[in-house]
Amino acid sequence: DAGVTQSPTHLIKTRGQHVTLRCSPISGHKSVSWYQQVLGQGPQFIFQYYEKEERGRGNFPDRFSARQFPNYSSELNVNALLLGDSALYLCASSQGQFPGYTFGSGTRLTVV
Amino acid sequence: SQQGEEDPQALSIQEGENATMNCSYKTSINNLQWYRQNSGRGLVHLILIRSNEREKHSGRLRVTLDTSKKSSSLLITASRAADTASYFCATDGNTNAGKSTFGDGTTLTVKP
Repeated sequence: DAGVTQSPTHLIKTRGQHVTLRCSPISGHKSVSWYQQVLGQGPQFIFQYYEKEERGRGNFPDRFSARQFPNYSSELNVNALLLGDSALYLCASSQGQFPGYTFGSGTRLTVV
Repeated sequence: SQQGEEDPQALSIQEGENATMNCSYKTSINNLQWYRQNSGRGLVHLILIRSNEREKHSGRLRVTLDTSKKSSSLLITASRAADTASYFCATDGNTNAGKSTFGDGTTLTVKP
């Protein structure tokens, strides 16, 4: 069975641009959580989506948004990119509303 | 701010020695988990300990939890070079149910 898959694996964007990151949960999992991990720090919670609704939000600006599709995959969108948005973006999935402990390999975003 | 804090920030040992990492947290929790991360890749879930458990074992891993002191420790016995990685603790609380709160990790180097 496939685990949590994220795409793309690496991405380079210019300041001010928009980016979309994608996550496919483990089959049967209905919840997806997004985390940002800046180099040298632990992951920070951005969003949780469960059954296509936002169920939790971290302390991130409105430039960050997400959605979940009927097949439970999810997109994380970041507008007006800043240099400080450079990070590893991680996705985790779970069956219910509790936190997911199975993570994807992440998307490495570099903003130049 | 992060909920958990790992100690030490960095640890260097010889192969075969034991490695102990500590985690402290601030608020009440439901569960505490430990993860491993190799070179900025995805997080690998190692072990979960519930708030009503005091000790848990998995292979060469031993985790303890002291809720009165709001602290946990991860012991890796008979370490191997392949154990070289960053180790993070994460807690699940009662609020924002889909969120795990991570510390900034301990970087473990095991020298062959």
